[in-house]
Order: sequence, then C-alpha cells, then structure tokens
Amino acid sequence: GAVVSQHPSRVICKSGTSVKIECRSLDFQATTMFWYRQFPKKSLMLMATSNEGSKATYEQGVEKDKFLINHASLTLSTLTVTSAHPEDSSFYICSARGGVTGELFFGEGSRLTVL
Amino acid sequence: GENVEQHPSTLSVQEGDSAVIKCTYSDSASNYFPWYKQELGKGPQLIIDIRSNVGEKKDQRIAVTLNKTAKHFSLHITETQPEDSAVYFCAALYDYKLSFGAGTTVTVRA
Repeated sequence: GAVVSQHPSRVICKSGTSVKIECRSLDFQATTMFWYRQFPKKSLMLMATSNEGSKATYEQGVEKDKFLINHASLTLSTLTVTSAHPEDSSFYICSARGGVTGELFFGEGSRLTVL
Repeated sequence: GENVEQHPSTLSVQEGDSAVIKCTYSDSASNYFPWYKQELGKGPQLIIDIRSNVGEKKDQRIAVTLNKTAKHFSLHITETQPEDSAVYFCAALYDYKLSFGAGTTVTVRA
C-alpha cells in the first residue's frame, strides 16, 4: 500500500526553540494532508488540514501561529512547532489522502519532547 | 461535527477467542468507517474499512459490520493471537475529516 513517511521520528529540543516535522507521501501525490496530535493513552486529535498550494485550515482551539503548516508540494507537508514549550511535548502524526480510493494513509508519528 | 464513541476502553481475551469492539457515530452523513490498529510508539495502521453502502466486510480473521439505521459499527476479530494485542481505533469520515473513537486497548492472553 501507499507509504507516508515522517521525519524525524523522535526529537528533543530546548524550550523556546522551533522544531520542524516533515510528512512525505512516497509513492503518491497528496493534495490534502492532515496533522494530528496524540497524548499518551488518548485518541488522535485533528489539528489542521493542509492543502497543497493554499493555507492550512486549523481546528478550533489550535494556535496557527504556534503550529505553522506548509504544504509546498504534492508530496510534502511540514509542521513547525514555534517557540516550543514543555506542554507542546506530544506525539504528532500526519496522514495523507491519495491513491485511487482516496484512502487515508498515516505516517509513523514524531515524538516531540521539549525540555 | 461528528462524535464517535467507542466501547470498551480495554478488552482482555484468551488466545483463540473472539474480540468485539463497538462504535457509534452521531452524523448520518458520515459515509466511510475505517478501523486502525496502533502499536506502541507507531502511527495508526488501517486494518479494515467499510463504506456506507455496505453492511458487512470480511478480511480473513477481521470483519466489520455497519448498521446505518442505528448508526453503529463493530469490529470483530476471530481466533485472536498475541500479535493482535494493540490499541484499536474506529473512525468516521464526515466533511472530509476523520473523527476517531477513544480507542480500545486489546490484550490477548497466551
């Protein structure tokens, strides 16, 4: 099946720095990608919808200036956590819609730890 | 928006027995219902899905049923094996977005 790759899988950073997470669709073009946040032992919470060539659509309560999303090409979306703080520590997961069926494929997730 | 409820939150079964997880959704406009398996530290993996024009779908030991009238759908795993132990999430697609259930932690006892 289709593969979605996320990088890095784990990142540790100091408070106040910015961190970029990449999400790539490896064998299909994805006009739409989604970013989720998952707390330990909790479900996936949709943060934003990323559309190639246009601004991302953020869910209610998600700070767009804190979580910058860029979808510059049909195979790459990035999530930048700006001025990270310990409360931003979480598991971030992207998904991409693609293929003939329009099925959603998930990346392996990125574990962010802010010290 | 869509609201998906999932039960039970934890499920322990003896190896070889069946496991059933149930979900309900709120919006009758939802038309796609995938199930995901998530192992520790990894992203969700699609294991089976069903569309609103189908009542049942089976793939080897895994089956999903959908009752549109009652707005609920279920995952059935037969002949469970230790490698089936994971967290399972149901989801419903509404307005091009997936809403997830809270998850079920399945433990298969050897």
